[in-house]
Amino acid sequence: DVKVTQSSRYLVKRTGEKVFLECVQDMDHENMFWYRQDPGLGLRLIYFSYDVKMKEKGDIPEGYSVSREKKERFSLILESASTNQTSMYLCASSPRTVPRTEAFFGQGTRLTVV
Amino acid sequence: AQKITQTQPGMFVQEKEAVTLDCTYDTSDQSYGLFWYKQPSSGEMIFLIYQGSYDEQNATEGRYSLNFQKARKSANLVISASQLGDSAMYFCAMREGRGSYIPTFGRGTSLIVHP
Repeated sequence: DVKVTQSSRYLVKRTGEKVFLECVQDMDHENMFWYRQDPGLGLRLIYFSYDVKMKEKGDIPEGYSVSREKKERFSLILESASTNQTSMYLCASSPRTVPRTEAFFGQGTRLTVV
Repeated sequence: AQKITQTQPGMFVQEKEAVTLDCTYDTSDQSYGLFWYKQPSSGEMIFLIYQGSYDEQNATEGRYSLNFQKARKSANLVISASQLGDSAMYFCAMREGRGSYIPTFGRGTSLIVHP
């Protein structure tokens, strides 16, 4: 069974903390994505990566950075967490060269910044 | 401008009835793919159905079908014989361009199935 696993289901952090959200996939996919989901706004792309050490900004990268040192792992970093980053974070992966294939998602991380 | 528009924030349907969830898209590419996902209250995103821009037939997967009208740029999801377990958020997504791999999502429609 294909799997994308996010390290935490729920997370509570303090304002100003550095926060790491980890995502691991076991499908050997080239592409990995981080989305943020807020009510009424749908899923918005924060960053994506199409290869190890490669990254591209999405629609809302401000306040975030990412790291992809290994193909299977894609980390989202909140350098200094703020309350407006309280949200649901979804990681996804997909193969690069199969256009008909859907993106596979992790279970999501509900982050609360207090 | 939004690339994916879902105009129904919430929908209600009676159990065993059919329901249509609307999705319109905006692209100038000739090659693109359209997806629907279901997100139950547990939060995971479940892939439902895919339609390619060059596909002649409308996609179907069990009780799900995609009403693809290319000229109108619409890709509506039809759920037949609704079940209580269909209550969830539904997202329409598009991947543009040949070889493109970044899905863009709509804002979602919340579907509630009444017994």
